[in-house]
Amino acid sequence: DTAVSQTPKYLVTQMGNDKSIKCEQNLGHDTMYWYKQDSKKFLKIMFSYNNKELIINETVPNRFSPKSPDKAHLNLHINSLELGDSAVYFCASSQDRKRDRRMNTEAFFGQGTRLTVV
Amino acid sequence: LAKTTQPISMDSYEGQEVNITCSHNNIATNDYITWYQQFPSQGPRFIIQGYKTKVTNEVASLFIPADRKSSTLSLPRVSLSDTAVYYCLVGSGTYKYIFGTGTRLKVLA
Repeated sequence: DTAVSQTPKYLVTQMGNDKSIKCEQNLGHDTMYWYKQDSKKFLKIMFSYNNKELIINETVPNRFSPKSPDKAHLNLHINSLELGDSAVYFCASSQDRKRDRRMNTEAFFGQGTRLTVV
Repeated sequence: LAKTTQPISMDSYEGQEVNITCSHNNIATNDYITWYQQFPSQGPRFIIQGYKTKVTNEVASLFIPADRKSSTLSLPRVSLSDTAVYYCLVGSGTYKYIFGTGTRLKVLA
């Protein structure tokens, strides 16, 4: 059973198109995240959601719109794709670290979606 | 949030013990130290976490000195399959995990 699954694994599209990446977790976690890993391999947080509510938006362009229909899903929709959006996008989930007072809450990551904009 | 510094890359041979040190001079009192491993084309995976002294699990050991300003991840007898990027995380935020540059470990035959 895959704990955090994302689809698709690969996505090649033209500039200007709109695309979505789906993410689902079956761990019963309250918090979900989207990360972007660029060609230099830096992992940078984009968004985090807790109980379907947006908690963090790390100055991501508003062409990126996350949507959380329920606690188990966090999808990422990207409008008007640009060449610089090419990267690997990772979804992750964890227990609610604020509710779970222990600091040792680990994050579980999906396999990533490699987006190539041409 | 504490910033971490770790070597960009390391090479090792199969069967050797590998130690990767991470500096975190501004660690806060309630911060834990966590290490993640990332294989090519995969998401990061939790390896080990500690607060002070030494922690050991089936994968690695984590050594933390008394001042907690650094930590060392120790991988015993590495194999080719341990080739990966290893990230040291300290504290992060309530709703985010902050990854540094990581250490690229290459295990050679």
